[in-house]
This record gives sequence, C-alpha cells and structure tokens, in this order.
Amino acid sequence: GAGVSQTPSNKVTEKGKYVELRCDPISGHTALYWYRQSLGQGPEFLIYFQGTGAADDSGLPNDRFFAVRPEGSVSTLKIQRTERGDSAVYLCASSPDNNYGYTFGSGTRLTVV
Amino acid sequence: AQSVSQHNHHVILSEAASLELGCNYSYGGTVNLFWYVQYPGQHLQLLLKYFSGDPLVKGIKGFEAEFIKSKFSFNLRKPSVQWSDTAEYFCAVVIKGNTGKLIFGQGTTLQVKP
Repeated sequence: GAGVSQTPSNKVTEKGKYVELRCDPISGHTALYWYRQSLGQGPEFLIYFQGTGAADDSGLPNDRFFAVRPEGSVSTLKIQRTERGDSAVYLCASSPDNNYGYTFGSGTRLTVV
Repeated sequence: AQSVSQHNHHVILSEAASLELGCNYSYGGTVNLFWYVQYPGQHLQLLLKYFSGDPLVKGIKGFEAEFIKSKFSFNLRKPSVQWSDTAEYFCAVVIKGNTGKLIFGQGTTLQVKP
C-alpha cells in the first residue's frame, strides 16, 4: 500500500487480557518504529527494528510488552496482562533504512477497561 | 536524558495572525530536527526538517523554522495562519548516530478562529 497501515484502528479490552497490534509498513522500508502516545503527550519511543531484529528496545516499559517482525516487514506489538495505564494510541512508523524519512500510520487506539 | 520542550501547550489565534511555536531540546551533540503536524483525525505528517546547512528551513503550507544552535532551539513560524492550520504540532529530535528514534515534545494545540 501507499502508506503505513495499522490494525485495528480501535481496540477495547478488559484488564488482564492479551492484545496484539499490527503494523504493515511501506514496502521496502527496513526500519520500523513503535511509539506510544498518551492523552496530552507527545509520542514516546518503544522499540526500533532494522530488518527482522530489534535494534533498540529501550523504550518498552516492562516485560509485558513485546514486539516481533519475523520476516522484516509486518510487525506485531504484543501486550500481556493489560493494565488500565496501557490505554493510549500506539503508533507505528517506517523508514527506508535509518535515514529519518519516517512515515507514520494512523495508530491503534487501545482502551483497557 | 535527552528531552524536547515545547513552551506553549495551547495557542489560540485569529486568522491572519502570525504564529511562533517554541521548541528547545537538551542535548549537546549533533541532532536532526523535525516539526510534525497532526490534523484532527489524521496521522502525523512531516511539516519540515533540518539536518544541516542553512538554519532557516522552509516546509509545507508556508511554515518555516529556524535552528539556533547556541540556544538549542528550533522554533516554528508562519506569517499568517489559516483556519485550516488548526491542529496539534510536535517538535522532535533525532540524535545523529543513534538508532534514529524520534524524541518528541509534548505538543502544542493550535486553534485558529475564523
């Protein structure tokens, strides 16, 4: 597709449940980033993939958060035992290599009730 | 830790007024600088970026920003705003040689009254 696609656009889940958020980057973009944006805040970095490997996961808040990109294209952000504090918009961005030409997706709005 | 600070959280202007949004960052080394805009219901879009060279950068829709290294600032300006500029604006930096992760400010909500 022409842009970065994120699904679902909205997700409501109960506290304690497991969720998966998907990001489909622009074809050929090797760099992929996940960010989290809480209400009234700027996006905060979570994890960066270069190809299939997580090159920087320093932004993941704790071990309930995990992300994969097994074939170097689509990425899945996984959150275990969700908490109300995980409620936020999760953004994905991709870039050709690491050259700062980021394109952002529309995000997944996660609500934990 | 590196951070980005946007001075104005909420700005209200009338159409045709001039705009300046402040942005400062805390990092002593080389950075790349960005301004992003998020229109209501839409995804983040790049307004302009500075990597090197002329510190006065022109972006889309009549926006410009000036990098002042001595002040660690990258303020966004527009001489005459339009109602369609109503949006949230984010300043961001990337530390050169790092993983390319963007460090964002907290954002400024701009409301332009017709």
